[in-house]
Amino acid sequence: AQSVTQLDSHVSVSEGTPVLLRCNYSSSYSPSLFWYVQHPNKGLQLLLKYTSAATLVKGINGFEAEFKKSETSFHLTKPSAHMSDAAEYFCVVSGVPNDYKLSFGAGTTVTVRA
Amino acid sequence: NAGVMQNPRHLVRRRGQEARLRCSPMKGHSHVYWYRQLPEEGLKFMVYLQKENIIDESGMPKERFSAEFPKEGPSILRIQQVVRGDSAAYFCASSPPQGYTEAFFGQGTRLTVV
Repeated sequence: AQSVTQLDSHVSVSEGTPVLLRCNYSSSYSPSLFWYVQHPNKGLQLLLKYTSAATLVKGINGFEAEFKKSETSFHLTKPSAHMSDAAEYFCVVSGVPNDYKLSFGAGTTVTVRA
Repeated sequence: NAGVMQNPRHLVRRRGQEARLRCSPMKGHSHVYWYRQLPEEGLKFMVYLQKENIIDESGMPKERFSAEFPKEGPSILRIQQVVRGDSAAYFCASSPPQGYTEAFFGQGTRLTVV
């Protein structure tokens, strides 16, 4: 079985400063890992995914995440926050590549201060 | 190409009533997945359907919950005799028929049982 822990339920940053959202996972297999974002009144949107290729994954809107097997982490970062980044972010794992059964973290709410 | 459409967006039911949640997958997608998000928790897998078939319902509660995806029309998640504990956000996702690589999520239906 696989699971995900998002270490921060809320993160507040100033516009133009870096964003770091922390995620630790557990999995019996080599996992696939994802970050999804949900803006208010919108569906979940895939930001990026890791599927055992390069450990540094680049996604949309300037986000990237690094897979660290030794630390079982998949933290999401962005060098410079924008007001439009205010949303809820979910770290997600599937136990095997292309497994449809996804395990979600509880989510991290990001607020961006002007 | 419209995304995954869920309706209603918000649904209020009294205890003991039935709730019907609808999901229209993206055009060309024949696989549908339902997830439930309880307050302060991540999304939890409920059921995976293809047209006229339930593939995996391992996450569905044993009683009162059912799902279908008919040949024509949207997928329906049905909750009979709702209780307060059923209050949650229910998300639908779809993927194309040529094998799972990514799920596209709808905006969710927020069910409140009063």
